[in-house]
Amino acid sequence: AQSVTQLGSHVSVSEGALVLLRCNYSSSVPPYLFWYVQYPNQGLQLLLKYTTGATLVKGINGFEAEFKKSETSFHLTKPSAHMSDAAEYFCAVSEMAGGTSYGKLTFGQGTILTVHP
Amino acid sequence: DTAVSQTPKYLVTQMGNDKSIKCEQNLGHDTMYWYKQDSKKFLKIMFSYNNKELIINETVPNRFSPKSPDKAHLNLHINSLELGDSAVYFCASRMVGLAGHNEQFFGPGTRLTVL
Repeated sequence: AQSVTQLGSHVSVSEGALVLLRCNYSSSVPPYLFWYVQYPNQGLQLLLKYTTGATLVKGINGFEAEFKKSETSFHLTKPSAHMSDAAEYFCAVSEMAGGTSYGKLTFGQGTILTVHP
Repeated sequence: DTAVSQTPKYLVTQMGNDKSIKCEQNLGHDTMYWYKQDSKKFLKIMFSYNNKELIINETVPNRFSPKSPDKAHLNLHINSLELGDSAVYFCASRMVGLAGHNEQFFGPGTRLTVL
């Protein structure tokens, strides 16, 4: 079984400040990890993913995340927040390709990011 | 062109009615999913089809019946709608078997409101 915990349902930062959204996962098998962003009344857009290889992954809009197996974490960061980053962010985990869960995503509870001018 | 599309975008209906939501993807993917996002924004898998075969069936009331006429389409029919069915339903698709390409592409969602 897999699970995801996102610490902090709401994060508020000033424009230009560092963004840090926390995600911890639990998985009995090697995981694939994802961050998705959801803007109001829209679907989910993939920000970035970790599958194998380099543990620091870069995504769209200046976001990046680091897979830390020892900490079972996959925190999302961005050096400088923009107003347009205001949205809800979801961390998700799935099994690696070929697993018996057929790639289903298990999501965290979501973190709403607010950016103040 | 929209990669994953859903119709309708909004659906308002009375309790007890039967309704369907349709999903189509033009990405050539072989696996499609239905997720439910509740009022607290929590997303949970409902069903998945791979090459028209049901492969995931989470604990969902049997009033919900998915149907995949072909690899590009996955529809969701809901009988005897209840207030608790009000949610946003997302369709997603992916291509199984491409190493390192495990991400799912999501549709825009269908907001179902049961009165």
